[in-house]
Amino acid sequence: RKEVEQDPGPFNVPEGATVAFNCTYSNSASQSFFWYRQDCRKEPKLLMSVYSSGNEDGRFTAQLNRASQYISLLIRDSKLSDSATYLCVVTPNTGGFKTIFGAGTRLFVKA
Amino acid sequence: DTAVSQTPKYLVTQMGNDKSIKCEQNLGHDTMYWYKQDSKKFLKIMFSYNNKELIINETVPNRFSPKSPDKAHLNLHINSLELGDSAVYFCASSRGESVYGYTFGSGTRLTVV
Repeated sequence: RKEVEQDPGPFNVPEGATVAFNCTYSNSASQSFFWYRQDCRKEPKLLMSVYSSGNEDGRFTAQLNRASQYISLLIRDSKLSDSATYLCVVTPNTGGFKTIFGAGTRLFVKA
Repeated sequence: DTAVSQTPKYLVTQMGNDKSIKCEQNLGHDTMYWYKQDSKKFLKIMFSYNNKELIINETVPNRFSPKSPDKAHLNLHINSLELGDSAVYFCASSRGESVYGYTFGSGTRLTVV
């Protein structure tokens, strides 16, 4: 089992749709969780951290389920500009310096 | 005012050559990293330095040698380049352990011909 697994997609959705991505992780002792966004031929950028209580930033909601070892990202009212690859990122507790990136889920939002 | 800057942005070179990639951050972070993103888009950590001290050295060929002259700089030198080294190399920095997330440089696209 991969340390961090994501559905590669692509997810093709119309503008205004709600779309959700899940990501599973194998290390139950993992400490920190993030979603990053990577546009084509650009660097990854931190989208949001994921907290145990769940957190929301505008149209984006992230949730953590430690019991089932997955995190999720919900995007409401999708915009064309949301088209990107979304990377699930997990930091194990064995050393915060070694962060593991998922392979990413591609999202295409169409007019 | 770029937070994490790396140069060059593009690098095309022949097999067997030696090349360097430079990285600088002005965020005051004390940890810096080199990541490799291959054609399948997997981002894999190569090295991590914390306050100029090597913390992580993943299974990377000896041909790759990082150097951190100070905590704001982390350079990557690659000897005897091979075709398989072609990838995008990202430098990143973080405040302490990566619990606060990373800031990435814009990447160096290395093509070995």
